[in-house]
Amino acid sequence: DAGITQSPRHKVTETGTPVTLRCHQTENHRYMYWYRQDPGHGLRLIHYSYGVKDTDKGEVSDGYSVSRSKTEDFLLTLESATSSQTSVYFCAISESSGYTFGSGTRLTVV
Amino acid sequence: RKEVEQDPGPFNVPEGATVAFNCTYSNSASQSFFWYRQDCRKEPKLLMSVYSSGNEDGRFTAQLNRASQYISLLIRDSKLSDSATYLCVVPRPTGNQFYFGTGTSLTVIP
Repeated sequence: DAGITQSPRHKVTETGTPVTLRCHQTENHRYMYWYRQDPGHGLRLIHYSYGVKDTDKGEVSDGYSVSRSKTEDFLLTLESATSSQTSVYFCAISESSGYTFGSGTRLTVV
Repeated sequence: RKEVEQDPGPFNVPEGATVAFNCTYSNSASQSFFWYRQDCRKEPKLLMSVYSSGNEDGRFTAQLNRASQYISLLIRDSKLSDSATYLCVVPRPTGNQFYFGTGTSLTVIP
């Protein structure tokens, strides 16, 4: 078990408000990722990190920012939430055997 | 051509049946591939890795055809518990990242 936890599990927020999702891992993995999953699109990479303070954009990074001040925590921030950001967000770490995902955050922007 | 493509299904099969899913990929240099299983409202979980010609684990067989650039997943003697969405995962050309297919939905019927 890679020990990944995401919080919150569910969130409803209003359009225009900032939202921060947290991913916490307990096994000192270097790489961490944020994905969103939407019907018909599969999992799409938002941002990823390859170390403390080392992050890069994925394919759908507009409207999102990330921070990684500690190895164990990777934060995803929606600066000003929009309805198009309603989605299920998964955090992941990579191991030699592939990805291990957190349980997901179901975000609804109203 | 998309980086990875899957038949979305749905596949509805009776218990005990054999079912196969295919996944095509565009990057001929890809070396390792994965099949993930995702239950409804849950995170994806690694089912099998495919590094060379194929891999077998009990009722599940994953095969790789490099010439035609596809991987397949064969499930024999289907169980009700096999009902899920199966995601094909292909590495990106650079970096420690992957492309995810949109998934193939399987329902095993009593």
